[in-house]
Amino acid sequence: SQTIHQWPATLVQPVGSPLSLECTVEGTSNPNLYWYRQAAGRGLQLLFYSVGIGQISSEVPQNLSASRPQDRQFILSSKKLLLSDSGFYLCAWGRATYNEQFFGPGTRLTVL
Amino acid sequence: EDKVVQSPLSLVVHEGDTVTLNCSYEVTNFRSLLWYKQEKKAPTFLFMLTSSGIEKKSGRLSSILDKKELFSILNITATQTGDSAVYLCAVNRGAQKLVFGQGTRLTINP
Repeated sequence: SQTIHQWPATLVQPVGSPLSLECTVEGTSNPNLYWYRQAAGRGLQLLFYSVGIGQISSEVPQNLSASRPQDRQFILSSKKLLLSDSGFYLCAWGRATYNEQFFGPGTRLTVL
Repeated sequence: EDKVVQSPLSLVVHEGDTVTLNCSYEVTNFRSLLWYKQEKKAPTFLFMLTSSGIEKKSGRLSSILDKKELFSILNITATQTGDSAVYLCAVNRGAQKLVFGQGTRLTINP
């Protein structure tokens, strides 16, 4: 069965510091991978998605970037965090052949 | 612009009540509608709907889609405190991209 991991679970970072969040998927190959952000009391906003190694599409202009160095690894980064980057970051995987997406446990980021 | 709107935003009921959660959408290239339950952390998948008028059911939860009127409902009968959560509706608009509503926070009081 498939499993999706994210770490860290929580993170408190000062404004202007760098960020690296990692997501890995087990039990499947060539998944589509997604990064979402959920602000407090809001729905999920798609930030990036990837259909293969090195292929990244950005949905919204922002202070963040994503990379996919391996088939089942997806990384979310920032060079300098802003206060507005605070939120709950979720990684998800899906397949081109069906519509469901399955979410990892998430990382709660607080930028102070 | 693609849009998914859920109502109500918040709902408080007593254990044993039946609730109906609503989701309306305006998206180009509709592929499917999905419902998720989110407790403390990651959303967990409940249903995926692609055809109008066909009810999906899982225990006390059921859902139906109306593609003509562009909405879906999620029903929960005989609610329990464990049903307390945020329920998210999402529409797949192609290329496996999901557009999410803002969620309905459901609280079940004993």
